[in-house]
Amino acid sequence: AQSVTQLGSHVSVSEGALVLLRCNYSSSVPPYLFWYVQYPNQGLQLLLKYTSAATLVKGINGFEAEFKKSETSFHLTKPSAHMSDAAEYFCAVSEMAGNQFYFGTGTSLTVIP
Amino acid sequence: ETGVTQSPTHLIKTRGQQVTLRCSSQSGHNTVSWYQQALGQGPQFIFQYYREEENGRGNFPPRFSGLQFPNYSSELNVNALELDDSALYLCASSLEAGGNYEQYFGPGTRLTVT
Repeated sequence: AQSVTQLGSHVSVSEGALVLLRCNYSSSVPPYLFWYVQYPNQGLQLLLKYTSAATLVKGINGFEAEFKKSETSFHLTKPSAHMSDAAEYFCAVSEMAGNQFYFGTGTSLTVIP
Repeated sequence: ETGVTQSPTHLIKTRGQQVTLRCSSQSGHNTVSWYQQALGQGPQFIFQYYREEENGRGNFPPRFSGLQFPNYSSELNVNALELDDSALYLCASSLEAGGNYEQYFGPGTRLTVT
């Protein structure tokens, strides 16, 4: 069975500060991992994905995430927060033969000016 | 390239009624997945259609049903609506079935059941 845990339902950072959003997964097989962002009243937009290539994955808008198998983690980071980064962030896991993505409960990011 | 579109944007229904939600997949995509996102929660998988056949189903009752058409657009039907069905319904398309293909999401349909 697969599952995703996002620690911290709400994270606040100052503009220009480091953003760190945590994601831990549980999977019985090698996983595929994704980060999505959701702005108010919109669908989900893919930020980045890990599909068993490089463990450090770079995405859009300056975000990146590192796959750490030993820690079963896929934390999302951005060196310097921008006001436009304020949104809901979801981590998701799937497997090659799978047909669904399993999402975490999300982390709401607030950027303080 | 046209992205995933959904209609309607918002919908208000009464308990016990039936509703149909529609989704047009991204050009070239043959797989459509539907998710229910309750307020403050992550999306929950309802089912997936691949080349017009159901290709997996989440933990949702049979009153949630779907269709995929030859042009790969899709419908989600919900019968005997309950108050707990109030949610944002998201459609996502992907190039192929399989967990290594990213899913591209539409803007969603906000369903309110009163």
